Amino acid sequence: GAVVSQHPSRVICKSGTSVKIECRSLDFQATTMFWYRQFPKQSLMLMATSNEGSKATYEQGVEKDKFLINHASLTLSTLTVTSAHPEDSSFYICSARSTSGGASEQYFGPGTRLTVT
Amino acid sequence: DAKTTQPNSMESNEEEPVHLPCNHSTISGTDYIHWYRQLPSQGPEYVIHGLTSNVNNRMASLAIAEDRKSSTLILHRATLRDAAVYYCILETSGSRLTFGEGTQLTVNP
Repeated sequence: GAVVSQHPSRVICKSGTSVKIECRSLDFQATTMFWYRQFPKQSLMLMATSNEGSKATYEQGVEKDKFLINHASLTLSTLTVTSAHPEDSSFYICSARSTSGGASEQYFGPGTRLTVT
Repeated sequence: DAKTTQPNSMESNEEEPVHLPCNHSTISGTDYIHWYRQLPSQGPEYVIHGLTSNVNNRMASLAIAEDRKSSTLILHRATLRDAAVYYCILETSGSRLTFGEGTQLTVNP
């Protein structure tokens, strides 16, 4: 299947600093990428939908000025957590859409574990 | 978004078939049924998807009820590596996937 990578896989940062997470589709072009957040023992929560060359669409309750998303190319989307705080500590997962007929499969990255101290 | 209901957990023995149920009584005519699974500290992995007809691939089979209000993911011979949280998701608007709580599958050796 298609491969999606994330970098870094794990990051620890101090409160108040910003952290950038990269999501790359390695063997296909992704016009749409998605960013999810997952807290321990919980399910994935969609944060935003990112379309190449346009502004991201954020889910209700997700602060767009805090979670900056850039999708500058068909293979790369970035999520920047600005002024991170301990409550932002979570597992961040991206996915990229691959179209097959009328439905779409999403391929997920391995996730990025963010710890804010 | 249309909602799915799955059991919180299920157990199986290694090399036996596993049937993971999912109810989606509010499914609309254009909704696809997707199944993903997630191992601890990893991103979800695509398993299978379908619309109306039953589907088979190398990982699993998907049996869809005639009224489409329920479906069953079938793992024909469970292995220890199949232990994961399995999510049944309806693809509604575009490619937006809304994850529920899923079913934690335990496979006993």
